[in-house]
Order: sequence, then C-alpha cells, then structure tokens
Amino acid sequence: DGGITQSPKYLFRKEGQNVTLSCEQNLNHDAMYWYRQDPGQGLRLIYYSQIVNDFQKGDIAEGYSVSREKKESFPLTVTSAQKNPTAFYLCASNVDRGEVYGYTFGSGTRLTVV
Amino acid sequence: QKEVEQNSGPLSVPEGAIASLNCTYSDRGSQSFFWYRQYSGKSPELIMFIYSNGDKEDGRFTAQLNKASQYVSLLIRDSQPSDSATYLCAVKPYGNNRKLIWGLGTSLAVNP
Repeated sequence: DGGITQSPKYLFRKEGQNVTLSCEQNLNHDAMYWYRQDPGQGLRLIYYSQIVNDFQKGDIAEGYSVSREKKESFPLTVTSAQKNPTAFYLCASNVDRGEVYGYTFGSGTRLTVV
Repeated sequence: QKEVEQNSGPLSVPEGAIASLNCTYSDRGSQSFFWYRQYSGKSPELIMFIYSNGDKEDGRFTAQLNKASQYVSLLIRDSQPSDSATYLCAVKPYGNNRKLIWGLGTSLAVNP
C-alpha cells in the first residue's frame, strides 16, 4: 500500500542534541512538507520541497534543517538552536497536478526534550 | 496575510443530529478547499475537498462552498460518537504554490 512513513513514532532529545526525523513516501508525490503541531494549536509549516534538491523555508524554519536528495525522502533535523522543540511533527506530501488533491499525512513523530 | 478562520468550539451535538462546521477565508482567489479530521494524538486525514460553488456530498458528509461570501462549511448528518474529533479547514490560495493555508480547527463532540 502507498503511503507516508514517519519514524520514529516517539523521540526523546537531550538538551543540546541534534535529532533527525525520518519521512519516506512511496506515493510518487513531488511535493513534501514538514509541519509542527503544539497542543491545542494549528499546523505550522517548517519547511517544504516541491522538487528534488530544492526546498523552501516555511513560517517557523529557525532551528530546523532539511534535505531532499531523493523524491521519496524528506528528513527533518531539529538542531540545538531550536529552543522549544517539544511538539508533534507531521510530514505530508501531495502530487504535482491539478488543484483538487489535498495532502497525505504520515502518522507523526512526537518529540520530547528531556 | 492570507487567513483561514474557524470557531474553535467545542461544538457539542447529540448523536443522530446534524453537525455544522464553518470556515471563512480571506484570499478571494482561493482555488481549492479541504476538510480534514484529526483524532486526538493522530495525524489529520482528508475527508472532503471541494473547488466549485455549491454542495458536494459523500456519504454522511456534505461540503458547501460559497466563493462570493468566502466561506466553506462541512455538514455531518446522523452524527456518531466516532465523529468526535477536531476538524481542520484548509485552503489552497491563488497561485502555483501548492502550500495550503490551515485553520486552527473546530473541536466536535458527539454525545451518545
């Protein structure tokens, strides 16, 4: 079955550590997105990529980095510069044709700073 | 600043009733409109999309779009306790960028 796989499901980070969240899709989608969701809050866009080897900052990119070396993969690194990283991280993708297609989301990674 | 607004709720309806969820948007050129359902602790899932004025029905769900008034709504008929979730409205604004603009969501509680 096609879909988006995020791993790990839960991640614990110590102060000062960088951690990388994985996002892999087998939907053959061109565009991929990373969102952050805090309790009771909406979705905030961190980074997005519409094509391999290209990505753009979203609304809250500071303290995060991404790469898009393959169409299927869009990993997110949460760096030590991100001062409040505890949140639910969601990866999404959508196809580059037409106007009617929404996003498909992965199951999310819950990151906690310990 | 392009915005999408929803009442945060909670909206509480009895089982079997019609739940009505509303969303307004600021970009008059917006092209496509999406409703997502998000259960607590889970990721959003797409339940409806609409891009033409009028109604679109899918089972117990009906999406209604009025571009002149810049609002989109979601009706859930015969509401079930399993419909209790947060409903997110998302809008694709005018242009080639496929980023969606998200509302903060409306919490729905269906009471048995």
